[in-house]
Amino acid sequence: GNSVTQMEGPVTLSEEAFLTINCTYTATGYPSLFWYVQYPGEGLQLLLKATKADDKGSNKGFEATYRKETTSFHLEKGSVQVSDSAVYFCALSSASKIIFGSGTRLSIRP
Amino acid sequence: DTEVTQTPKHLVMGMTNKKSLKCEQHMGHRAMYWYKQKAKKPPELMFVYSYEKLSINESVPSRFSPECPNSSLLNLHLHALQPEDSALYLCASSQDRRDNQPQHFGDGTRLSIL
Repeated sequence: GNSVTQMEGPVTLSEEAFLTINCTYTATGYPSLFWYVQYPGEGLQLLLKATKADDKGSNKGFEATYRKETTSFHLEKGSVQVSDSAVYFCALSSASKIIFGSGTRLSIRP
Repeated sequence: DTEVTQTPKHLVMGMTNKKSLKCEQHMGHRAMYWYKQKAKKPPELMFVYSYEKLSINESVPSRFSPECPNSSLLNLHLHALQPEDSALYLCASSQDRRDNQPQHFGDGTRLSIL
């Protein structure tokens, strides 16, 4: 069946550090891939998406590239800010269902 | 500001009570969803409505009863819940059920069962 695996957290970084959160998936067919972010006390917000191989999604300085050959969709940001502290979920959509990874909690130190 | 509005934000109820969670969106979306999220876990899909008809029920116990009165509203009726049903209940909507359509989430209702 379909599944999403993302790196275990929590991840703690200093402000302005480079961020990578790894995400790999298993799916039949050609799923769409998403990163969602959840701030404390809130619902999930779409951060970025990619709907086909080699697409690059980007938003607010975050980027992720749909790599079919490695079945990966790693999230990157060149310089993180304290305000990026949140839980990040990698997800795939296939057959009208979203499957989420387990989530990675990110904390940024000033 | 979220474009999907959920009420109430918090709800405490006993195991014999009947209550309802409400969700509203005015983006013209035709697919709406209910999720359950336990602490430090990802959301789990409960129900999917497409064009106001129930299309997916993820084997949810009958004490949870969804309703979609019109294309903007989604309700979740609760009856005889158990303590393990305490969780954050999230509503989401998308333009339709195509896989490339992202879902827009509300901020959820935090439910506590006494």
